This record gives sequence, C-alpha cells and structure tokens, in this order.
Amino acid sequence: GAVVSQHPSWVICKSGTSVKIECRSLDFQATTMFWYRQFPKQSLMLMATSNEGSKATYEQGVEKDKFLINHASLTLSTLTVTSAHPEDSSFYICSARDLRTWGRVNQPQHFGDGTRLSIL
Amino acid sequence: RKEVEQDPGPFNVPEGATVAFNCTYSNSASQSFFWYRQDCRKEPKLLMSVYSSGNEDGRFTAQLNRASQYISLLIRDSKLSDSATYLCVVNIDRGSTLGRLYFGRGTQLTVWP
Repeated sequence: GAVVSQHPSWVICKSGTSVKIECRSLDFQATTMFWYRQFPKQSLMLMATSNEGSKATYEQGVEKDKFLINHASLTLSTLTVTSAHPEDSSFYICSARDLRTWGRVNQPQHFGDGTRLSIL
Repeated sequence: RKEVEQDPGPFNVPEGATVAFNCTYSNSASQSFFWYRQDCRKEPKLLMSVYSSGNEDGRFTAQLNRASQYISLLIRDSKLSDSATYLCVVNIDRGSTLGRLYFGRGTQLTVWP
C-alpha cells in the first residue's frame, strides 16, 4: 500500500536551533502534502498545505517565516522550524494523497510516522 | 463552530462490550468521511471510510446520516487491542479545501480485561 516516510522520528535540541523535517511519498506522487501539529490531548491541527513547485498555503495563526515549507518534487516536502523554542515542542505529522486519486471521493490520505520535537 | 465535533470520552469498557462513537460535522458540502485510529504517540491510521449506505468491516460498523450531518462508529465484541483514540475525519474536497482533512478531537477508548 501507499507509504509516506517521515524523518526524523524524534528530535531533541536546544532553543534557537532550526530543525528540518522531511516527508516523502515512497510509491506514489503527491502534488500536495499537508503538515499538521498535535499538542498533547488535542486533535491534529493543519498548519499548512504544501504545493509542489509553488508557495505553501498557511493556516491562520501559523507564521510562514517560522515554519518554512519547501516542496521541490512530487515526492518530497520539507518543514523547517526556524529558531525553535520550547513552545514549538509538539508532534508534527505530514500527510499526502496519491495524485491519481484526486477527484474521487473517499480516498484517504496517508500519514507519515510523525516527528516528536522537543526543544530544551 | 468547529468543522467536526466529537465527544472526547473517555470510554472505558470491558472486553466483549459494544461501544458506539458519534460525530457531527458542520459543512453540508462535505464529501468524504473517515474514521481513523490513533495510538498514543503514533500517527493516525485509517480504520475505515464511511459511505452513505453504511458499511461494515468485521467488528466495526460505520454509519453516515447526511441529512443530520452525523457519523457513527460501532465496535462490537471489544478487544484489548481496540484501546486507542478514534478520530472522526471529514474531507470537503472542493475548491480551496481540496484534499484538506478536518479532524475531530478524537474519542478515547480503553478496553479493560
């Protein structure tokens, strides 16, 4: 089945460090990928929609200069948390949907394993 | 108003019990509906899609009522391994929301022996 690989799975670093998270679709192409953040005991919140070859679309309240998104190919999107601080500590998850399923209903998205980010 | 509303629970049930989760969504243009399961500190995994006619997958039955914008999940003969958070997910999949999923906050289930 469709697989999305997310790396790294766990990051612990000092405040002020920039952290890059990769999301790859391994056996399908995805012009659009989604980045979510989940705080403890809360639901997944969409941060931004990553579009291949164009600028990402950010949700209200998400700083685009803080969370840099690059989607340079049909199989890779990256999220960089710049100058991370303790309040950025969270579980970050990407998802992607097979390009071939667009336009069809009830086509699920495929999630990466998530990245647990802890900023000290 | 949130796009998807769920009772967060928790639901604590014994093995073998039947348990039902409910969910409502606010946008009548919603087209696709799913139940995902999320284990602690893990990514969500698709449990099942939900179709208008209702659908069943083993011990799991999902129902959709478009008129009342209501989705349900029924788990029969609960197993210990069913303990998880169940996420109600809706996809409007139109225009600017193409591909975007809207998540409920999840309903926590614990099955005890």
